[in-house]
Amino acid sequence: DVQLEQSAAEVRKSGESLQISCVVSGYYFSQYWIGWVRQRPGKGLEWMGIIYPADSDIRYSPSFQGQVTISADKSTNTAYLHWSSLKASDTAMYYCARHKKSWFGELSIDSWGQGTLVTVSS
Amino acid sequence: QSALTQPASVSGSPGQSITISCTGTSSDVGGYDYVSWYQQHPGKVPKVIIFEVNIRPSGVSDRFSGSKSGNTASLTISGLQTEDEADYYCSSFTSSKILIFGGGTKVTVL
Repeated sequence: DVQLEQSAAEVRKSGESLQISCVVSGYYFSQYWIGWVRQRPGKGLEWMGIIYPADSDIRYSPSFQGQVTISADKSTNTAYLHWSSLKASDTAMYYCARHKKSWFGELSIDSWGQGTLVTVSS
Repeated sequence: QSALTQPASVSGSPGQSITISCTGTSSDVGGYDYVSWYQQHPGKVPKVIIFEVNIRPSGVSDRFSGSKSGNTASLTISGLQTEDEADYYCSSFTSSKILIFGGGTKVTVL
């Protein structure tokens, strides 16, 4: 079974750095894109970006480019989402999501992690 | 790139059918058959209920169906049940080779 296990909830102050993780199992990590989705309290889903672990190709949504860093470690089957300086507006649930790719390169989400709640106080 | 446009809310009585629209552009919904729909109950993880416009994952009820015409995709829920009350989101692959979501639709069963 495909499993995406995310790290525990975090509470930080504005200006602090943070990295959350998503450990996958049940499939070959390097062969699927994996990415992150934000959901602020009471709000909708926002697609942040993805990484292809095989070659570390990364794509960001323009809304998140420069705001976060996505990375992956093939040796531990782990994807990461990193902030260098958190803001109160980063308070949200963050989901990791496996993306499958078609022969022509189109992507779609087929599995979700359980979510990591990040709370940032000012 | 702006979010796909969904109605904020749709409601229906048990047994009825409802349809949720998801409108984009020729650079996303209209250009690719890679539209997905997700169901999210309060406090729960989103669940894929339709992918590639009209394909249901194993285990998803056949009361859920998807379609697309031009730049608008649609999710139809037939035989509405109380357990269908949830938030529904669409997503599409885009010409920028990224994904975008719709703003979400709250479905209420009257």
